[in-house]
Parts: sequence; structure tokens; C-alpha cells
Amino acid sequence: EIVLTQSPGTLSLSPGERATLSCRTSQSVGSNYLAWYQQKPGQAPRLVIYGTSSRATGIPDRFSGSGSGTDFTLTISRLEPEDFAVYFCQQYGSSRYTFGQGTKLEIK
Amino acid sequence: QVQLVQSGADVKKPGASVRLSCKASGYSFTSYYIHWVRQAPGQGLEWMGIIKPRGGDTTYAQKIQGRVTMTMDTSTSTVYMELSSLRSEDTAIYYCARSVLEYYFDHWGQGTLVTVSS
Repeated sequence: EIVLTQSPGTLSLSPGERATLSCRTSQSVGSNYLAWYQQKPGQAPRLVIYGTSSRATGIPDRFSGSGSGTDFTLTISRLEPEDFAVYFCQQYGSSRYTFGQGTKLEIK
Repeated sequence: QVQLVQSGADVKKPGASVRLSCKASGYSFTSYYIHWVRQAPGQGLEWMGIIKPRGGDTTYAQKIQGRVTMTMDTSTSTVYMELSSLRSEDTAIYYCARSVLEYYFDHWGQGTLVTVSS
């Protein structure tokens, strides 16, 4: 099973700042099959990024993804109030899907 | 629009079974796979398994293999997930989610809270 480790656990920033979230995998993710999801309290997760760097439908261009192999990053260029949430990375390169433990992005 | 509508919350005693449903609409049911993912209170996401509507093939997470069964009814575009021998640690919100083949999850149900308590 591929283990995903996200850092930091909590990120405290102000609106307008840049957020950088990290996801490291225990093995190389095949074909860069790495996705990011946003989850707000009381809601289901929402797809943000797939294939490491492709934005999902309706996701603003301040969100970007990058990385390869075992190191991946989600960047939010200028934080808006609605961006504060928990973000999970997920690998779908193996038949046993796994998620990171999440990074909570909170308002400073 | 694509919708995955799940059944309502349930409370079960330890040792019992629970059967959840996920009704799909707004797309061709057999063209997408359905996954089940659960989230214990205040915790992360745990993938439970996948069912492929065209043929009904399933793959389950090793952790719950033997206790979980995923089935479907193509006539109603509904997927079911049954979890047996429930324990307190099965208390969680259970989500169904859709994927194109075995890729990322582009739509999710609203979630169903299952509480296991004596």
C-alpha cells in the first residue's frame, strides 16, 4: 500500500497570502495519478486537482498542482476566504487507493 | 446535473450489519465506477472499495475484506454497500463517489452517518 504523508498538519495564513501544501508518497505514483480534494465542515470532499496538475471543473486558476515521483504540491496563489478548509491528497496509481491525512488551512 | 444521493443516517448495535444505498442520476450509470469511502469522526478518508457497474466487478480494501459487499441495481442506477459484524470503530460518515475508470473521484454523494453503539 502506498502511504501518503501531508505537511504541514495545519497551515495558518491570511487572505491574500500564498499557500503551499505538500504531499509525499512512500512509492512513486504511476503516471502521476495524484489528486487533491477540498473538504469544508459538514460537506463531502470536492475534487480540486487531478493528474497532479489539472484543475477540476469550476476550480479557479489560483489553484495549481505540481510534482512528480514521490513529491507533490498544491499551491493556492492568493487565498480567498472560501479557500480555508481541509485538503487531502490521494493517489490512484495503484488499485488500492490511499489518501493523505489532510492539511487544515485555517485563517490566521 | 450529476447527482449521487445516499440513504439516511443509521444507528446499529455492535455485531449487526448495515446496508447503505447510493442512487446515481444525471449521467450514464454504467459508464462510471462507484467507490465507497468512509471518514471516522475528525479523521481522514479511507477507501473501502470499488464496483464497476458494467459487469459488477468489485475490489475491496484488505482491511475490511470479508465484511463488505458492494452490489448494484442497474434498473434503478443504485449502488449498495453492506458492512457486517459492525464494531464501534466502524462509526463514520460513509460516502459514495464516482470515477472514470479507476481514476480520481469527480463527484461525491452527500454522505451517510453510521453510528455503531450498544
